[in-house]
Amino acid sequence: DARVTQTPRDKVTEMGQEVTMRCQPILGHNTVFWYRQTMMQGLELLAYFRNRAPLDDSGMPKDRFSAEMPDATLATLKIQPSEPRDSAVYFCASGSMGLAGVTGELFFGEGSRLTVL
Amino acid sequence: GESVGLHLPTLSVQEGDNSIINCAYSNSASDYFIWYKQESGKGPQFIIDIRSNMDKRQGQRVTVLLNKTVKHLSLQIAATQPGDSAVYFCAEKTSGTYKYIFGTGTRLKVLA
Repeated sequence: DARVTQTPRDKVTEMGQEVTMRCQPILGHNTVFWYRQTMMQGLELLAYFRNRAPLDDSGMPKDRFSAEMPDATLATLKIQPSEPRDSAVYFCASGSMGLAGVTGELFFGEGSRLTVL
Repeated sequence: GESVGLHLPTLSVQEGDNSIINCAYSNSASDYFIWYKQESGKGPQFIIDIRSNMDKRQGQRVTVLLNKTVKHLSLQIAATQPGDSAVYFCAEKTSGTYKYIFGTGTRLKVLA
């Protein structure tokens, strides 16, 4: 049963602490996305990668957020230092995308709920 | 916990009736559209998709209609069931990119 796996599922931390969220995309998927979901903003695209290369991280606050794909089976989203306004559910999604114009659905993980006190 | 909260438009329908959920998109360069369903505490799940060269696509109990003239997308659910209660999002993809942007969502409540 192929699925996107995210850890941790829940994280409570204090302001100023570093937070790292991890995502294992579906095996064989070449495109990985990070989204943030809040009550006020809905689902916001933070960054995405294709074949492990970052294509767009314009949705991400650059001063404290960083996203990487150390290998094809792992994507990470790091916040350092964390702030209360970062509290949200962070979703990873993966898909199998061909050349631009050849598209498909995104498969989402269950999310990582972050609370920054 | 709730995935999206108090500011969502809500559609309440009687069990067995048909539901129509609407979505306005802004980018005329979008070439692919998806409807997702999100239940509380879970990630969004794919329902149905449509490419911009089509105006209608049908699945099992669901139909998506695309009107590019007015940049409008709708999801029709036939014979709505209690298990259809969730938040529904439309997503659009910008042509030439892999950028999927989600709408604000609509909460569907099915009344017994």
